Amino acid sequence: DAGVIQSPRHEVTEMGQEVTLRCKPISGHDYLFWYRQTMMRGLELLIYFNNNVPIDDSGMPEDRFSAKMPNASFSTLKIQPSEPRDSAVYFCASSLPGQLTEAFFGQGTRLTVV
Amino acid sequence: GIQVEQSPPDLILQEGANSTLRCNFSDSVNNLQWFHQNPWGQLINLFYIPSGTKQNGRLSATTVATERYSLLYISSSQTTDSGVYFCAVGIFEGGKLIFGQGTELSVKP
Repeated sequence: DAGVIQSPRHEVTEMGQEVTLRCKPISGHDYLFWYRQTMMRGLELLIYFNNNVPIDDSGMPEDRFSAKMPNASFSTLKIQPSEPRDSAVYFCASSLPGQLTEAFFGQGTRLTVV
Repeated sequence: GIQVEQSPPDLILQEGANSTLRCNFSDSVNNLQWFHQNPWGQLINLFYIPSGTKQNGRLSATTVATERYSLLYISSSQTTDSGVYFCAVGIFEGGKLIFGQGTELSVKP
């Protein structure tokens, strides 16, 4: 398997613009997770899905952030409107179901909002 | 919530030296993973180790779940080992992880 695939790898956008990050999980993984990495807060969970259904979005920082998973092989994280403080690296991860399973991460999307 | 503390925060080694990184967590967990974030930002899985000991080449890890800590050993370090090492724990679904702040390792030639 190619692993978790994220796109784009880098995104530079102007404040106020809409940004969409994309993720393809590992085939057969029922769980998909979106994480954000910043210098101040480290790596933190934003939202996760089980079988395409959002389970916990308590980590989503504001209503400007939304995530969808229309099918088992695709998820998006959208920021509208974007702000400079949203600049970070956004990671997608996937895992098999169950508590005793290993998570695998994509290469991340480095977002810069100017 | 669960607290994850890693030590030391920074470490500088000469190539060939050995090191031990520590991860303490504040509550019982079902899942523990070690990651290496390389200078390009990729998070690379090193070990999935909720308990016991595992080895992979020059790296090994031990988790003592009853005492709430895990150790990552790096032997004969190489410059390519440089980067940040993260410990992450979970108590629910496998991928729902709480990360420590990381140990930044720099290996000098």
